[in-house]
Amino acid sequence: LAKTTQPISMDSYEGQEVNITCSHNNIATNDYITWYQQFPSQGPRFIIQGYKTKVTNEVASLFIPADRKSSTLSLPRVSLSDTAVYYCLVDDYKLSFGAGTTVTVRA
Amino acid sequence: GAVVSQHPSRVICKSGTSVKIECRSLDFQATTMFWYRQFPKQSLMLMATSNEGSKATYEQGVEKDKFLINHASLTLSTLTVTSAHPEDSSFYICSAKTSGGANEQFFGPGTRLTVL
Repeated sequence: LAKTTQPISMDSYEGQEVNITCSHNNIATNDYITWYQQFPSQGPRFIIQGYKTKVTNEVASLFIPADRKSSTLSLPRVSLSDTAVYYCLVDDYKLSFGAGTTVTVRA
Repeated sequence: GAVVSQHPSRVICKSGTSVKIECRSLDFQATTMFWYRQFPKQSLMLMATSNEGSKATYEQGVEKDKFLINHASLTLSTLTVTSAHPEDSSFYICSAKTSGGANEQFFGPGTRLTVL
């Protein structure tokens, strides 16, 4: 299973853009890059998934460089409710969760 | 989007008893379901992978005789914690994956198990 590295924590303020970069140097050809959000005592919630270049949906953007060895999740204009743990995963079949990034949004 | 449910959401049991947790995919057929365990302030740990109609594949260090997994249909998988002990107290989460489309897993809301 490909291993990912992401910052343990990030602090931000309401209305700011939050960018979380994840390193996955050993990503395999078949691997997708998927980001999940988890609130305490809840299951992870899918945010966005991509294979290469840029993907955007209604909640986030995902930037993937050509070598695919890293990816950046961008959360535009965060609010207090975006305080959560964000996980970056790169696997073709089974998902292996790392420590995640705890994002704290302050007023 | 696809919805996965778990039942019960919370269970408290006495040490030595067995507890069954259900995971259902409500609006899609899940060819594969995964079971995770999460201790407080830790990440999710994959316990096992189950495919409909076949035996589950357990991760290293997970006792298959203690954590019985059954995936009898394309919409239901069950995890039974046998002879539960206080150290089994944890947050158990299932996820479901479809056979086609993007490689996306849909997670259930989790089950909080407390063993007294």
